[in-house]
Amino acid sequence: DTEVTQTPKHLVMGMTNKKSLKCEQHMGHRAMYWYKQKAKKPPELMFVYSYEKLSINESVPSRFSPECPNSSLLNLHLHALQPEDSALYLCASSQDIARGTDTQYFGPGTRLTVL
Amino acid sequence: AQKVTQAQTEISVVEKEDVTLDCVYETRDTTYYLFWYKQPPSGELVFLIRRNSFDEQNEISGRYSWNFQKSTSSFNFTITASQVVDSAVYFCALSYSGAGSYQLTFGKGTKLSVIP
Repeated sequence: DTEVTQTPKHLVMGMTNKKSLKCEQHMGHRAMYWYKQKAKKPPELMFVYSYEKLSINESVPSRFSPECPNSSLLNLHLHALQPEDSALYLCASSQDIARGTDTQYFGPGTRLTVL
Repeated sequence: AQKVTQAQTEISVVEKEDVTLDCVYETRDTTYYLFWYKQPPSGELVFLIRRNSFDEQNEISGRYSWNFQKSTSSFNFTITASQVVDSAVYFCALSYSGAGSYQLTFGKGTKLSVIP
């Protein structure tokens, strides 16, 4: 089973709202990732968690706040976003971050629109 | 520096034609890993294949085949007898080691349209 689930599928929010994106995997993976993808562009890495600890933050603005409550769950808390933050947000997981052989498996994404 | 180049931005083919998607990579690592992902209009990135740098065997999976050539730093993907369901954006990616972890660097993607 190589399934990563994400909720919600679509989200529309105002610039003053607070919302959260959720990601879940049950493959026993210890690494989880958030990516942002703008239209007609490849995914861009935002955050990496390894064994529930933040390992990489790719200089993401503080209005994006990641959280890893346990090894299966990954959240992305959103606050005071800008219209340019509208994008597809993809979650991924892999067995580990320290092995290049590990494949990242992606969820279906959340399409976020900021008004 | 790690880099993946997919020179073909968009390709259109008629159903049942064969099509090859090109991928050229740059890396200083002696051990590295290459991937292909498919992204249909629904948005999910679907893993297709992983290839290790020390394994230059070509691979075939049904209508899909991959040609890995270290001498030209290429990892090309061929779809035989294309179908409408193959319409998607295809990303080639390189896994590299940085700051104690492996990360993916993606090419810009090739949008394939298969016309019935």
